[in-house]
Amino acid sequence: KAGVTQTPRYLIKTRGQQVTLSCSPISGHRSVSWYQQTPGQGLQFLFEYFSETQRNKGNFPGRFSGRQFSNSRSEMNVSTLELGDSALYLCASNPFAGGALFMDNEQFFGPGTRLTVL
Amino acid sequence: GQQLNQSPQSMFIQEGEDVSMNCTSSSIFNTWLWYKQDPGEGPVLLIALYKAGELTSNGRLTAQFGITRKDSFLNISASIPSDVGIYFCAGYEETSGSRLTFGEGTQLTVNP
Repeated sequence: KAGVTQTPRYLIKTRGQQVTLSCSPISGHRSVSWYQQTPGQGLQFLFEYFSETQRNKGNFPGRFSGRQFSNSRSEMNVSTLELGDSALYLCASNPFAGGALFMDNEQFFGPGTRLTVL
Repeated sequence: GQQLNQSPQSMFIQEGEDVSMNCTSSSIFNTWLWYKQDPGEGPVLLIALYKAGELTSNGRLTAQFGITRKDSFLNISASIPSDVGIYFCAGYEETSGSRLTFGEGTQLTVNP
């Protein structure tokens, strides 16, 4: 079974631009979560989508948004990029919403998209 | 954002040595997870723990879910060079959906 895939793997943008990142979850997984990883803040939760609905949102400004399609693929968008948005953006999927409150619903991560804002 | 307190931040050990790292939290977690991340890659799940007091092994790895539900540790026995990487603890709170809270990570270096 293929793992979580993310595209592109690397991206360079300039301040003020916008960017869209894509994530394809593991086949059969319906929940997709996004995380931002930086050296200073570590891994921070952005949002979670399940059945095309945002279920949970972290403490990020409105410039960060996402969506999920009917095939469970997800995109996240960052508008008006700032230098501080440079990070590794990780997508993770699990079969169901509600986290790993029970077995067989663990979260698996993709390789990430490395975004550099100049 | 909230993070778990993970220690140590880094470890430098010789091949063959055992390693121990732990995480503590002020909040109760329903599930503890341990991930390993290699440079340029996403975290890979190593062990998942579901019940307070649970002790689980995966090869040379052993992890425990603390009885208070506020801590967990990971042990690696007989370390080998490919154990190099960053190890993260992560937890789910009951009301957090699929939102994982992560520790700051332990950078492990193994000298052959």
